[in-house]
Amino acid sequence: GAGVSQTPSNKVTEKGKYVELRCDPISGHTALYWYRQSLGQGPEFLIYFQGTGAADDSGLPNDRFFAVRPEGSVSTLKIQRTERGDSAMYLCASSLTPGLAGAEQFFGPGTRLTVL
Amino acid sequence: AQSVTQLGSHVSVSEGALVLLRCNYSSSVPPYLFWYVQYPNQGLQLLLKYTTGATLVKGINGFEAEFKKSETSFHLTKPSAHMSDAAEYFCAVSRSYNFNKFYFGSGTKLNVKP
Repeated sequence: GAGVSQTPSNKVTEKGKYVELRCDPISGHTALYWYRQSLGQGPEFLIYFQGTGAADDSGLPNDRFFAVRPEGSVSTLKIQRTERGDSAMYLCASSLTPGLAGAEQFFGPGTRLTVL
Repeated sequence: AQSVTQLGSHVSVSEGALVLLRCNYSSSVPPYLFWYVQYPNQGLQLLLKYTTGATLVKGINGFEAEFKKSETSFHLTKPSAHMSDAAEYFCAVSRSYNFNKFYFGSGTKLNVKP
C-alpha cells in the first residue's frame, strides 16, 4: 500500500518568505508527527497530532512555525518569515496505534527546505 | 532531558564482517528503544524495537540489538555485513510517560567495503 508522502520533495525559498510543507499520512493512521533533521543530525521532534488536534507541540522552535491537520488526515507545516537557519529536511511520520507504547512511526521521504 | 548518543558518525566494515553500531541513552525511567535505517532519498524504516520483555530483540535483515539497562545501551549488531546494509542508522528512544515523542541520536553512516 501507499506509504507516507510529502510534497514538495524540495523547496527553495528566499529569506523572509512564507512556505507550506504538506504531508499525506498512511490511510487510517490517526497519529501524525513532524520532525526536522538538520545536516549531520538526527530527526528532532516538532509536533504530534492525534486526529485533528495537536497533542504535543513542544518541539516547535518559535511562533513562526505552525502546523494544522483540519480533517484528521493531511497535515501542513507552515513557516512564516523564513530564516536561513530553517534550512533542513522536514520529515513527517504517521502511526496507526499511537496509544500503544512502542507503536511504530512510518516516515515519509521528507521535504528538503533551503532558505537563501 | 532525554538524550541519545551514537558513538561514531561513520563506521566502515568489510563485507562479511561483524557490524556493531553503538547507542547509549540517558533515562531515569525505562525507555522504549528503536533502531531505524535510512537509505538515500528514502524515509526512515524501522529495523527493530524494544518495549518490554526479552532484552535481545531481532529485527529485519538479520539485525538484532540487546537492551542493557545497567549500561544504558542498545547496541545494534549483525553477524555478517552485506553491501546492501550501507545506509545511515538512527537510534531513538521514547519515554513511558510520553511514548509518542521520539528522541533520535545523530546517526551512524555504515559503509560496507567489498
